[in-house]
Amino acid sequence: DAGVIQSPRHEVTEMGQEVTLRCKPISGHDYLFWYRQTMMRGLELLIYFNNNVPIDDSGMPEDRFSAKMPNASFSTLKIQPSEPRDSAVYFCASSPPRYPYEQYFGPGTRLTVT
Amino acid sequence: KQEVTQIPAALSVPEGENLVLNCSFTDSAIYNLQWFRQDPGKGLTSLLLIQSSQREQTSGRLNASLDKSSGRSTLYIAASQPGDSATYLCAVSRGIDGNKLVFGAGTILRVKS
Repeated sequence: DAGVIQSPRHEVTEMGQEVTLRCKPISGHDYLFWYRQTMMRGLELLIYFNNNVPIDDSGMPEDRFSAKMPNASFSTLKIQPSEPRDSAVYFCASSPPRYPYEQYFGPGTRLTVT
Repeated sequence: KQEVTQIPAALSVPEGENLVLNCSFTDSAIYNLQWFRQDPGKGLTSLLLIQSSQREQTSGRLNASLDKSSGRSTLYIAASQPGDSATYLCAVSRGIDGNKLVFGAGTILRVKS
């Protein structure tokens, strides 16, 4: 299996621009998680899905952030408009049925907003 | 609100030394605890998972213990090697919603050859 795939690996954008991060979970996994990692706040859960349905989005920082999972093999995290404080590494993770805590992480997307 | 603290923040040891990384959490109502490894520029890899009913787990040179009542876990690495150099993160899943992991800030380990 190829593991969790994230794209792009690096993204540099200007403040005010829209940013879309993409994730392909491991085939057969039905949980998908989006995390953000910064030096100041560490690794934080933003939102997670089960069977393509958002279950908990309490970690989404504000309305500028949105996430979708249109099917079992694809999810997006969108930031619009982006701000410099959104600069971070964004990770996607997936886990198999009945074992949501056994999370397999992607390599992350490093976002820089100037 | 669950808070996870890891001590020390960074550690540098010579090759071959045994070492202990510490993790503490404020709410003992956890479902399980995991230790992850993160290499620079990469995602996290789960090393050991301890269910709340267990006291310890072992994998090769790694041994993790859990004392739920005191809110503490330790990761013991025996005979450390330069390849062990990485950031080690502790994460707990909440009892109510075991799907959500709360992470500590991590311990940056450097093993010198």
